[in-house]
Amino acid sequence: DAMVIQNPRYQVTQFGKPVTLSCSQTLNHNVMYWYQQKSSQAPKLLFHYYDKDFNNEADTPDNFQSRRPNTSFCFLDIRSPGLGDAAMYLCATSRTGTGEAFFGQGTRLTVV
Amino acid sequence: AQSVTQLDSHVSVSEGTPVLLRCNYSSSYSPSLFWYVQHPNKGLQLLLKYTSAATLVKGINGFEAEFKKSETSFHLTKPSAHMSDAAEYFCVVSDPGTYKYIFGTGTRLKVLA
Repeated sequence: DAMVIQNPRYQVTQFGKPVTLSCSQTLNHNVMYWYQQKSSQAPKLLFHYYDKDFNNEADTPDNFQSRRPNTSFCFLDIRSPGLGDAAMYLCATSRTGTGEAFFGQGTRLTVV
Repeated sequence: AQSVTQLDSHVSVSEGTPVLLRCNYSSSYSPSLFWYVQHPNKGLQLLLKYTSAATLVKGINGFEAEFKKSETSFHLTKPSAHMSDAAEYFCVVSDPGTYKYIFGTGTRLKVLA
């Protein structure tokens, strides 16, 4: 029944060690988003894809990369995680950015 | 440009009393507006949405919101708060030109027994 699935729910990584978070969707939506959410803050958009068209936010650090190999899957790669990258990472989808966005349960990233 | 302003960062109510969470928007077009709820360590769940149909929108768990164009507001209400309503609430507007969703800063609702 789950429509936007994020794995894993909790991820612990070492300082500087590359980590990949994954997101899959069963909704066949065109648009997929990655958000970073720190404690007691609103989600902050990192980037989004419209189909294969990648859109990076101007203030997203170069340390963050993304891949969307097909409609269903999207990955967030953090090349060298720092302590400041510890956060909840949320994946979302929408059909065309006009109706509602559907969110996954998030991945809580801890950097040690 | 689209934006939303949530007027209260924290709201406390007693169980069984009404809830009012305030949101004002700014939009170049006829907006699509949403309220999402987030419980601790969870993703965001859609409560309700306004997409230019009825101005009074009913959502899940007894919540509703009224779109008032003259006041550029989209306040969220519930007649009687329940302990399980304690969570963070986000007012969101969509930008169809960029496919982005613009978030308010959030309102943390506390429900007192």
